Amino acid sequence: GAGVSQTPSNKVTEKGKYVELRCDPISGHTALYWYRQSLGQGPEFLIYFQGTGAADDSGLPNDRFFAVRPEGSVSTLKIQRTERGDSAVYLCASSLTGVAGGGDTQYFGPGTRLTVL
Amino acid sequence: DQQVKQNSPSLSVQEGRISILNCDYTNSMFDYFLWYKKYPAEGPTFLISISSIKDKNEDGRFTVFLNKSAKHLSLHIVPSQPGDSAVYFCAASGRGGSNYKLTFGKGTLLTVNP
Repeated sequence: GAGVSQTPSNKVTEKGKYVELRCDPISGHTALYWYRQSLGQGPEFLIYFQGTGAADDSGLPNDRFFAVRPEGSVSTLKIQRTERGDSAVYLCASSLTGVAGGGDTQYFGPGTRLTVL
Repeated sequence: DQQVKQNSPSLSVQEGRISILNCDYTNSMFDYFLWYKKYPAEGPTFLISISSIKDKNEDGRFTVFLNKSAKHLSLHIVPSQPGDSAVYFCAASGRGGSNYKLTFGKGTLLTVNP
């Protein structure tokens, strides 16, 4: 079956602009996650959705970042007034239930590479 | 403050030999550990995991060992194959309500030479 897909695969924007990154999770997965991977680092947790609601947004760096999942499937990560430091690969993952310790595997998409000039 | 540390940025081994990737963690609340593999331009792919109640988990050529007292885990790949060449991330999750949140190390680039 289809895995997690993310669009666009690459996004180049100018400092100060607004961007939206889209994630299509695996069908039937109730849990959805956004991570950010900066150069030379591992993925860092941003936000976790259980269904339509953001159950944990503690990883969002500041209020320029916002994410939605209005129908409990597709999610959009929105970044306002982009800064050069926002340049990174933004990874989306989904899982069946959202309980990692219970063997619930997170499946990752290929990521969106965001470059802010 | 890195809670999950992979101190070797890279590792090179010969095909057929054993690859050993190491990972240390500092947070004693972590109780579930995972290894992900990542090829260029792809997302991380789950490889193997281990719960803190175990000290070993094996899946084919891949074995993960956990030493809780040392807060150390390792991934053994034997025999190593050229297709195993990738970046390997160690990750951990905690107990209770935040057990969905994965904390990753910086990764180790494994190169398996033919």
